[in-house]
Amino acid sequence: DTAVSQTPKYLVTQMGNDKSIKCEQNLGHDTMYWYKQDSKKFLKIMFSYNNKELIINETVPNRFSPKSPDKAHLNLHINSLELGDSAVYFCASSQSLTVTDTQYFGPGTRLTVL
Amino acid sequence: QQQVKQSPQSLIVQKGGISIINCAYENTAFDYFPWYQQFPGKGPALLIAIRPDVSEKKEGRFTISFNKSAKQFSLHIMDSQPGDSATYFCAASPRGAGGTSYGKLTFGQGTILTVHP
Repeated sequence: DTAVSQTPKYLVTQMGNDKSIKCEQNLGHDTMYWYKQDSKKFLKIMFSYNNKELIINETVPNRFSPKSPDKAHLNLHINSLELGDSAVYFCASSQSLTVTDTQYFGPGTRLTVL
Repeated sequence: QQQVKQSPQSLIVQKGGISIINCAYENTAFDYFPWYQQFPGKGPALLIAIRPDVSEKKEGRFTISFNKSAKQFSLHIMDSQPGDSATYFCAASPRGAGGTSYGKLTFGQGTILTVHP
């Protein structure tokens, strides 16, 4: 009965490869997010989607492309992986874009680019 | 540009002591200030949150103090327990049109709290 789930939990790959991370929420929320947590634990928002519509697209390289097939899923595809992409990526969801809506985070996907 | 500055980076407290983590912000559009708790290998989870129309909010052993004029807020953990050992993040979200924030949480750098038994 996990609220926000991500797969895979760990991802180890070579530079230049393309990889995807999947996220699913069973909370019935309208809004989903992707965050990046770097090696110093700094958390930064990358994207947010509301009802499958892209709302926030921070200064993220074009190699990162989110896709929301439906409100319960938000996937992250990364092309031409670079060493600097190594981080923990968190998916999150909230009921809506209301400022006080709690964001619920998934367990994270640790991406290591060799 | 770090919009939310958090200190200290790490904090060691004895069991039963008080843990205090401070945050400061510059953006006056920020309208919601949550604190998140993250255990190793887990995602962050909301601990407690405050709006700027109140100066203090308490939930159990956790209290947020908010100083709007100084643009500062802090988390106090009373009677700290070893189970409180985690990384704590302050965050801030701006109010947009119609009460939306577009989901844009800006996080502080995090504080690693260790509570010794």
